[in-house]
Amino acid sequence: QSVLTQPPSASGTPGQGVTISCSGGFSNIGRNHVYWFQQLPGMAPKLLIFRSDQRPSGVPDRFSGSKSVTSASLTISGLRSEDEATYFCGAWDDTDFVFGTGTTLTVL
Amino acid sequence: EVHLVESGGGLVQPGGSLRLSCAASGFEFRTYSMTWVRQAPGTGLEWISYINSGATSILYADSVRGRFTIARDNAKNSLSLQMNNLRVEDTAVYYCAKSGFDYWGQGILVTVS
Repeated sequence: QSVLTQPPSASGTPGQGVTISCSGGFSNIGRNHVYWFQQLPGMAPKLLIFRSDQRPSGVPDRFSGSKSVTSASLTISGLRSEDEATYFCGAWDDTDFVFGTGTTLTVL
Repeated sequence: EVHLVESGGGLVQPGGSLRLSCAASGFEFRTYSMTWVRQAPGTGLEWISYINSGATSILYADSVRGRFTIARDNAKNSLSLQMNNLRVEDTAVYYCAKSGFDYWGQGILVTVS
């Protein structure tokens, strides 16, 4: 059972912005950096954000992350059809790494 | 270019064993920690094990501790996961991932039935 809670679904139209939340606690998000992953159907997850707000090289700046106390957010601006995927947050929680419940994004 | 390729999956009966391998290339394997993550059909991601670069720090999720063993061979750029006493609920796609989750393998399916 995941300790990081995400909304099960989100949606937006092309060009819009959307924000996905990730709610945790002091033992995980409160003390550690947050990761965000994108998983396209049938594919392996891909790292989008590390250290709560850092993008790996090659990830468009349309993707941004933030953290506040025990919650985090992933914002996608200028939605594109290829952003349709499931997004997971994650963070270390003592000696375990915990993933969020996942949010499926639909681009209408 | 970083490549991670899992192998060793398949169908096994409950109580059986399997050994997964992850072949790494394109980076200095011996200097990075590695992780195994799994995903049961239609569900989310579950972290299951971590090993640091020198294999001096090893972590397991409660769900696999005592049944799974992570190991690495830095001379062969290889990561492994020995899975014993498998249960139906271990059925999943298993991914190996490089330190910081910046690179993932394509995943390998393990079916316990």
